[in-house]
Amino acid sequence: GAVVSQHPSWVICKSGTSVKIECRSLDFQATTMFWYRQFPKQSLMLMATSNEGSKATYEQGVEKDKFLINHASLTLSTLTVTSAHPEDSSFYICSARVPGGADTEAFFGQGTRLTVV
Amino acid sequence: LAKTTQPISMDSYEGQEVNITCSHNNIATNDYITWYQQFPSQGPRFIIQGYKTKVTNEVASLFIPADRKSSTLSLPRVSLSDTAVYYCLVGYILTGGGNKLTFGTGTQLKVEL
Repeated sequence: GAVVSQHPSWVICKSGTSVKIECRSLDFQATTMFWYRQFPKQSLMLMATSNEGSKATYEQGVEKDKFLINHASLTLSTLTVTSAHPEDSSFYICSARVPGGADTEAFFGQGTRLTVV
Repeated sequence: LAKTTQPISMDSYEGQEVNITCSHNNIATNDYITWYQQFPSQGPRFIIQGYKTKVTNEVASLFIPADRKSSTLSLPRVSLSDTAVYYCLVGYILTGGGNKLTFGTGTQLKVEL
């Protein structure tokens, strides 16, 4: 099946610095990708929808200036956590759906574990 | 987006059949039902998807009654490696592939020897 890859798998950064997470669709083009955040023992929470060539759409309560999303090509979306703080420590996951018919599935990346110290 | 309700957790033993039911009373006409599996520190993995009646693949079956207000994921003969969180999602599909998926609480399945 289609593959979505995230990089890095894990990252530790100092409080106040910025961290960039990449999400790539390896064998298909994705005009839309999705970014989720997951805290321990909780479900995935949709943060934003990344649209190729246009601005991302953020879910209510998600700060767009803190979580910068860039979808510059059909195979790459990036999430930058700016001025990270310990409360931003979480598991970040991206997904993309193969464009096509009505029953296409969404593929998820392996996730990125962010720890802010 | 239709809200889903699942049991928080379930326990089973190896070799047994496990059925996880999801309620989605507000499912819309265009909504599909999709189930994902997630292991700790990994992204969710697609299991099965359906619209109505019964769907079966190599790993699971999905039963959807006529009113589509619920669905049941059936895992035959589970093993220890099936211990994971299972999410039921409903949502409509845009031909451009842009539909977003909203996750509910999921069901933590624990399989023991």
